[in-house]
Amino acid sequence: GAGVSQSPSNKVTEKGKDVELRCDPISGHTALYWYRQSLGQGLEFLIYFQGNSAPDKSGLPSDRFSAERTGGSVSTLTIQRTQQEDSAVYLCASRLAPGNEQYFGPGTRLTVT
Amino acid sequence: QQQVKQSPQSLIVQKGGISIINCAYENTAFDYFPWYQQFPGKGPALLIAIRPDVSEKKEGRFTISFNKSAKQFSLHIMDSQPGDSATYFCAASDGTSGSRLTFGEGTQLTVNP
Repeated sequence: GAGVSQSPSNKVTEKGKDVELRCDPISGHTALYWYRQSLGQGLEFLIYFQGNSAPDKSGLPSDRFSAERTGGSVSTLTIQRTQQEDSAVYLCASRLAPGNEQYFGPGTRLTVT
Repeated sequence: QQQVKQSPQSLIVQKGGISIINCAYENTAFDYFPWYQQFPGKGPALLIAIRPDVSEKKEGRFTISFNKSAKQFSLHIMDSQPGDSATYFCAASDGTSGSRLTFGEGTQLTVNP
């Protein structure tokens, strides 16, 4: 079956511009996560959505970062006024239920010039 | 604060050898310890996972050893193959935080033919 998909796969933007990254989770998965993978570093949690509950935004690095999940499915991560330190691979994962495996998408590579 | 520490950063093993990657954690609330495998340009994929009620779990050539008192766990890859060359991440989560994963820094494994 279809896995987690993300778009675009690559995004190059100029410093100061806003960007939107999209995640399509596996159908029926109730939980959705965003992580960031910076060059040479591990994965860093950003935000978590579970059903209709308020999202856990505790990992967002600044107020320039926001995310929403519409209809309990597709999610969009928005970065406003991008900075060079925002350059990273942004990974989305979804999970069917508590205690189950998180399935990752291929990521969006963001480059801020 | 880095809650999961992983070593070594890189590892080179000959085909047929044993690859060993170690992780240590600080948060005693963690109750789920997965290992992820990541190939270039791909998202991480779950390899094997363990919960603290067992000290070892084996799946094919992959084994997790878990030491709860030492707060350490390790991945052993037996009969390593060139196709195992990838980046490996250990991670940990606890049920009270939505199962969000805290990752180690990653180990780049190279298996020479």
